[in-house]
Amino acid sequence: EVQLLESGGGLAHPGGSLRLSCAASEFIFSRYIMTWVRQAPGKGLEWVSSISGTGLSRYYVDSVKGRFTISRDNSKSTLFLQMNSLRADDTAVYYCAKLGSRPSEGWFDSWGQGTQVTVSS
Amino acid sequence: EIVMTQSPATLSVYPGERATLSCRASQSIGRSLAWYQQKPGQAPRLLIYGASTRATGIPARFSGSGSGTEFTLTISSLQSEDFANYYCQQYNNWPPLIFGGGTKVEIK
Repeated sequence: EVQLLESGGGLAHPGGSLRLSCAASEFIFSRYIMTWVRQAPGKGLEWVSSISGTGLSRYYVDSVKGRFTISRDNSKSTLFLQMNSLRADDTAVYYCAKLGSRPSEGWFDSWGQGTQVTVSS
Repeated sequence: EIVMTQSPATLSVYPGERATLSCRASQSIGRSLAWYQQKPGQAPRLLIYGASTRATGIPARFSGSGSGTEFTLTISSLQSEDFANYYCQQYNNWPPLIFGGGTKVEIK
C-alpha cells in the first residue's frame, strides 16, 4: 500500500519560511508526478504545486509563484515544498498527493495525512 | 481558467436513500473528472476517476456519470459512513488542477 508521510509544518511568522517534506514508500517514486494540495480552515481543496517524475517540470498555482519551490529527491523517495515569504492566507493543512505517471492521469490516487501550516504573528 | 461548480452545497439525506451530487465545468473537460470523499480530520479519498471508473476498493453503491460539462456522483443507498464532504476535480487541461467547492452530505 502506498505510504505518504508529511512533516515540517508548524507556526511561522508572516514573511517567514518553512520547508515541508513528504516521505514516500511502497511505489516507484520516480515514475510519478507528485503534488502538494492545501486546505484552509473550513474551506475546500486547493492545488498548490506539482512536479514531474524527473523533476524537470514544475507547476504552481498563481498565488504561490515566486514564493514556493517544489522539488524532489528520487534517491530518497522524498518530495519537498520550500515556502518563503509566507502570508496569513497560506495557513492550511498541506497534503502530499500522488498523481499518475502521465499528465493525462491527473487524479490523486493516494494522499498523505497532511501537515498543518499556520502563519501568524 | 476552468471553474468547477458543485451543487448543492449541502445535501440532507436519510440513511438508505439515494444521493445525487452535481459538478459542472465552465468549459468542456471530456471525461477528465475525479470525485473524492473527505471526512472531518481526514485526508481525501479517491472515489471515481475518468468520470465513471471506481477506484480500487470503492463500493459499487458509488457511481459516476457525465461528460463534457455536466457530471454526477450518485450514492445509491447512503450508509452511515458515507456522510462526508465530496469534491470533484478536473484534470483535462492543467495546470492548474481545479477542485469544485464541495458538497456536504449530512444526515436528515
